[in-house]
Amino acid sequence: DAGVTQSPTHLIKTRGQQVTLRCSPKSGHDTVSWYQQALGQGPQFIFQYYEEEERQRGNFPDRFSGHQFPNYSSELNVNALLLGDSALYLCASSSTGGTSYEQYFGPGTRLTVT
Amino acid sequence: GQSLEQPSEVTAVEGAIVQINCTYQTSGFYGLSWYQQHDGGAPTFLSYNALDGLEETGRFSSFLSRSDSYGYLLLQELQMKDSASYFCAVDSNYQLIWGAGTKLIIKP
Repeated sequence: DAGVTQSPTHLIKTRGQQVTLRCSPKSGHDTVSWYQQALGQGPQFIFQYYEEEERQRGNFPDRFSGHQFPNYSSELNVNALLLGDSALYLCASSSTGGTSYEQYFGPGTRLTVT
Repeated sequence: GQSLEQPSEVTAVEGAIVQINCTYQTSGFYGLSWYQQHDGGAPTFLSYNALDGLEETGRFSSFLSRSDSYGYLLLQELQMKDSASYFCAVDSNYQLIWGAGTKLIIKP
């Protein structure tokens, strides 16, 4: 039973560039949430996708956008990268049910913006 | 605003019991979750409380008081492998709102 997978594991970008991160949910899960985790901090909710729609969004600018595909996999896109976007980006999946309390996390993508 | 407060660091001895507290202030609340994260690893789900009271899962227990906006995670029979960061997170309208985490240091 495959867990949540993310790619790439590490990424180095330059300010102003654009980046796309990918996530495949755990088998049987249809809901994907994305988080940004700065060093020494708790994860910050970016958005959640369900049925290919953004169901909820956290306090992140429009530079952060996403997509969910019919097979439930998801992408996170960040445009016009800033130095402050350097962080660990976590993808989490869960099953339908309306609650988000039990989520399964992928290993994350470490993004460094120089 | 929305906020969760938990101690930044707790130190305990192997075999002992430790309690990690969490107070929260959020606009919506369905329940309180606890996650464990080892250095360099992904968060893993530990427990969830939607109603007041104690939930027990093996060596870990979690408590919630909705009227006090307060919860705690209790870890018993501490083992060295329990050294990690522990996060409380509020389940609120399709999102998890996280605390900054408590680093648990265990001494032999």
